[in-house]
Amino acid sequence: QVTLRESGPALVKPTQTLTLTCTFSGFSLNTSGMCVSWIRQPPGKALEWLALIDWDDDKYYSTSLKTRLTISKDTSKNQVVLTMTNMDPVDTATYYCARPYASSCQGIDSWGRGTLVTVSS
Amino acid sequence: QSVLTQPPSVSAAPGQKVTISCSGSSSNIGNNYVYWYQQLPGTAPKVLIYDNHKRPSGIPDRFSGSKSGTSATLGITGLQTGDEADYYCGTWDSSLSAGVFGTGTKVTVL
Repeated sequence: QVTLRESGPALVKPTQTLTLTCTFSGFSLNTSGMCVSWIRQPPGKALEWLALIDWDDDKYYSTSLKTRLTISKDTSKNQVVLTMTNMDPVDTATYYCARPYASSCQGIDSWGRGTLVTVSS
Repeated sequence: QSVLTQPPSVSAAPGQKVTISCSGSSSNIGNNYVYWYQQLPGTAPKVLIYDNHKRPSGIPDRFSGSKSGTSATLGITGLQTGDEADYYCGTWDSSLSAGVFGTGTKVTVL
């Protein structure tokens, strides 16, 4: 059974850096074809894809947020970390960790429950 | 910011059928698989359709997906009150080298 759980601060101040951790089980990022993505959703708004890391440590980012995002993995801990710099109130959203379908790394077959991050002074 | 366009809302009476369109381009829908997600209020999204038209185990055949060119469609037949949710399409964009989602469609059962 695949599970993913997001953890991190619920509140960050403007200009601070957000660090979110995804801890997963039921699969390994050492396995060829496996990937993990981050997706966010501002309150009442649509889903927004943020970043993806694959088993081979290839990384992909949203073009509009690329300069602010860094995704990394720690396969020994079954964790993926997303950092977002220079946080702004518009970055207030629920942040989801998710597992794309294997081999293609496209689509999402498993989602975490999400963690709400509020950006406010 | 969404690359894929969906109608904001669709509605129908219980038992009826609704379709939700998802319009993209050759760099995304035109050359990649399309996925459809259902998001019930206050919950994380759940995949309904993968690889354009396939249903994961546990998803009833009332839900169907299709793709033609640079557009995709989600169909829901035998509409139930439990189907009231937001629905999103998603795919990969080969030009952006990034995932993309649709603008989302709210389904209301009248």
